[in-house]
Amino acid sequence: LAKTTQPISMDSYEGQEVNITCSHNNIATNDYITWYQQFPSQGPRFIIQGYKTKVTNEVASLFIPADRKSSTLSLPRVSLSDTAVYYCLVDNAGNMLTFGGGTRLMVKP
Amino acid sequence: DTGVSQDPRHKITKRGQNVTFRCDPISEHNRLYWYRQTLGQGPEFLTYFQNEAQLEKSRLLSDRFSAERPKGSFSTLEIQRTEQGDSAMYLCASSLAGPVNEKLFFGSGTQLSVL
Repeated sequence: LAKTTQPISMDSYEGQEVNITCSHNNIATNDYITWYQQFPSQGPRFIIQGYKTKVTNEVASLFIPADRKSSTLSLPRVSLSDTAVYYCLVDNAGNMLTFGGGTRLMVKP
Repeated sequence: DTGVSQDPRHKITKRGQNVTFRCDPISEHNRLYWYRQTLGQGPEFLTYFQNEAQLEKSRLLSDRFSAERPKGSFSTLEIQRTEQGDSAMYLCASSLAGPVNEKLFFGSGTQLSVL
């Protein structure tokens, strides 16, 4: 199973761009990289998914280098409502989709 | 798309009692997952179904835990003889299996407190 490593926590201020990097050194050829966001007392919510290079949607961008051993979630101009835990997933072996500890992002005014 | 629904949202029980949680997935989704989450930790995989078949259950925490998905629609997770250590949020997610990696859609969870 591909193991992911993320920073435990990050602080930012409103209006700044936030980049959260996830390491996944033993990612498998068929694995995609998926990021989820979780607010307190709610289930995680899908943010973005990619395989290589760059993916962008209305919420975030995902940057994946050629070796795919890491990925970076980029949140442009964060607001207080972006305060949440962000999880990076790459496990897909046997469909036991495994979450790590995530990154707790605190956005300050 | 009405989303994934879990019932109840909260459950308080006494140690030794049995509890059952229900999950109604998004209607066209064929995969259903159960996770457990304790405070400050990421969701922990328990088991998953594809249609009515339970394809992985080795991660269920003990033989007190069991899950069913009759007819491939809703699912139930039962915990027998609850212990205080079972107190956690139990999350259900569903997805549509396909050629691209899955996207999980989660419910709001059932918060279990064992007294």
